[in-house]
Amino acid sequence: AQTIHQWPVAEIKAVGSPLSLGCTIKGKSSPNLYWYWQATGGTLQQLFYSITVGQVESVVQLNLSASRPKDDQFILSTEKLLLSHSGFYLCAWRDRVNTEVFFGKGTRLTVV
Amino acid sequence: GDQVEQSPSALSLHEGTGSALRCNFTTTMRAVQWFRKNSRGSLINLFYLASGTKENGRLKSAFDSKERYSTLHIRDAQLEDSGTYFCAAEGGTGGYKVVFGSGTRLLVSP
Repeated sequence: AQTIHQWPVAEIKAVGSPLSLGCTIKGKSSPNLYWYWQATGGTLQQLFYSITVGQVESVVQLNLSASRPKDDQFILSTEKLLLSHSGFYLCAWRDRVNTEVFFGKGTRLTVV
Repeated sequence: GDQVEQSPSALSLHEGTGSALRCNFTTTMRAVQWFRKNSRGSLINLFYLASGTKENGRLKSAFDSKERYSTLHIRDAQLEDSGTYFCAAEGGTGGYKVVFGSGTRLLVSP
């Protein structure tokens, strides 16, 4: 069975500090991977997707970047956090286009 | 760009009653997925449809790509059904893009 693990569960960070959120998928090779973000009271927005190692496409520009260093790993990062980065970040995977998407448990980020 | 309009934004039901949630799409979508958000914020998969209808217990979902909508019907609502429900659609202009609706906050009361 496939499992998706996100870390950390929650984080409080200062404005201007760096950020790195991680996501690992086990039990599935070459998944399509996604990062989503939801501001408090807002709608879930797709940030990035990746269909293969080393290839990441940006959907929404939020002064964030993503990387896929390994087939089963997706990293979301920035060198300088903004207050507007606060929210709930979700990693997701699926087998391929036109199949069900499965989400991780998310990371709640508070920027102060 | 692709848009998903979800309604209602909030819904109150008494136990045992039912209702429907709806998502309208501004463009033709290939598939739709419905989720319930739990108390921690995690998204629980309910349905994935590329066409037609699916049913699971007291929940039933339909997707009409041509008419650009999807529905989620809840019957015999129970207290534990309370939560926020989202639809998410894929297709339209971006092959890998999945667009979420704004959610329906459901409250089931005794």
